[in-house]
Amino acid sequence: QSVLTQPPSASGTPGQRVTISCSGSSSNVGSKPVKWYQQLPGTAPKLLIYSTNQRPSGVPDRFSGSKSGTSASLAISGLQSEDEADYYCAAWDDRLNGPVFGGGTKLTVL
Amino acid sequence: EVQLVQSGAEVKKPGESLKISCQGSGYNFDTYWIVWVRQMAGKGLEWMGFIYPGDSETRYSPSFQGQVTISADKSINTAYLQWSSLKASDTAMYYCARQDSKGFDPWGQGTLVTVSS
Repeated sequence: QSVLTQPPSASGTPGQRVTISCSGSSSNVGSKPVKWYQQLPGTAPKLLIYSTNQRPSGVPDRFSGSKSGTSASLAISGLQSEDEADYYCAAWDDRLNGPVFGGGTKLTVL
Repeated sequence: EVQLVQSGAEVKKPGESLKISCQGSGYNFDTYWIVWVRQMAGKGLEWMGFIYPGDSETRYSPSFQGQVTISADKSINTAYLQWSSLKASDTAMYYCARQDSKGFDPWGQGTLVTVSS
């Protein structure tokens, strides 16, 4: 099982706002910046959010990240069909001395 | 454009050896860590290890230490992931990615490794 815990699935209708949670511990999410990666079907992952709440150039502002304690969240507002993908949270883990990932959340746009 | 291009899909038999590659372009390859990540079919992402091409310093995930070897040739901007004796359980998609200050970005397109008798 993954070090970071995400719900296996999430869904929403076009235009809705959905959130995906990521639960960790004090050695990772609780003390390190969180990243989110988007993996569209059949493609490589892509960096979506870094430093917990920053978007790389080109990522729409519909995507936002936040953190409270040892839990982080990814929010997607104005849901679009092209947002249908797997989403992974990640953070450095001081205890393992390496990056850890969540198990991924499959987002379905109904 | 910063880009990582990986070698093509491989089909191997158990016990065979394999070396796959990841070639960087559009940036100074020497000065960024490269990470290798495994994704088994229908599963999540697993960190395997890092290499710093400038001096070939490597760090392995405890889960993969001793199972694979990560290397690099900075003269041709290429990192490698190799196995000396493949197992069926090594069947997976393998990605390389550049680690910068923000995270893993960009990623290679992935190399599918299939191990079957």
